[in-house]
Amino acid sequence: DIVMTQSPDSLAVSLGERATINCKSSQSVLSSSDNKNYLAWFQQKPGQPPKLLIFWASSRESGVPDRFRCSGSGTDFTLTISSVQAEDVAVYYCQQYHSSPITFGQGTRLELK
Amino acid sequence: EVQLVESGGGLVQPGGSLRVSCAASGISVSSYYMNWVRQAPGKGLEWVANINPDGSARDYVDSVRGRFTISRDNAKNSMYLQMNSLRGEDTAVYYCAGGPGWKFGLWGRGIFVTVSS
Repeated sequence: DIVMTQSPDSLAVSLGERATINCKSSQSVLSSSDNKNYLAWFQQKPGQPPKLLIFWASSRESGVPDRFRCSGSGTDFTLTISSVQAEDVAVYYCQQYHSSPITFGQGTRLELK
Repeated sequence: EVQLVESGGGLVQPGGSLRVSCAASGISVSSYYMNWVRQAPGKGLEWVANINPDGSARDYVDSVRGRFTISRDNAKNSMYLQMNSLRGEDTAVYYCAGGPGWKFGLWGRGIFVTVSS
């Protein structure tokens, strides 16, 4: 199984500051057949289902603000929120869908300082 | 409104069975890969199973393989998870999720399944 490890487990930032969440996979999630990273990011607010933010490691889902950006390839990825807003308080998960079983990171809790 | 709605959850004794359903409305999911994802209380997300658009291919996480069965009925725009030999560690909110290709773009609000005596 591909193990997804996020860091940090939690972080607190001030409004308008940058937030950075890292995700490392135990094996590459880059497909040699289509040169795509099978990596997604989700946001989950309390009492709500997860919401897809980014897929194919860098494609933002429709309606997701452009302050959410992902970089990286292979085994190391970073989700950056360029200017944190109050509505961004949530738990963030990375997910690999390169290999079965599909696996998620343990989650990173984003809070306001 | 486009939505997925889960139903059929509840309290079941260890060793018991339960079937949860996921009904789509406002959109046809017949061309989507569909998934079940669960979240134990206070824990993270765990993918449970998926099924391809025509139902000919299914996959499971090892911890449920042989106990759970995923199925779908495209005529009813619905998906199901039959859960047998339930254990305490199966207690969770069960979400259905799916989308075109591998995108988990559409999620239901989840349904509680509690396994306890």
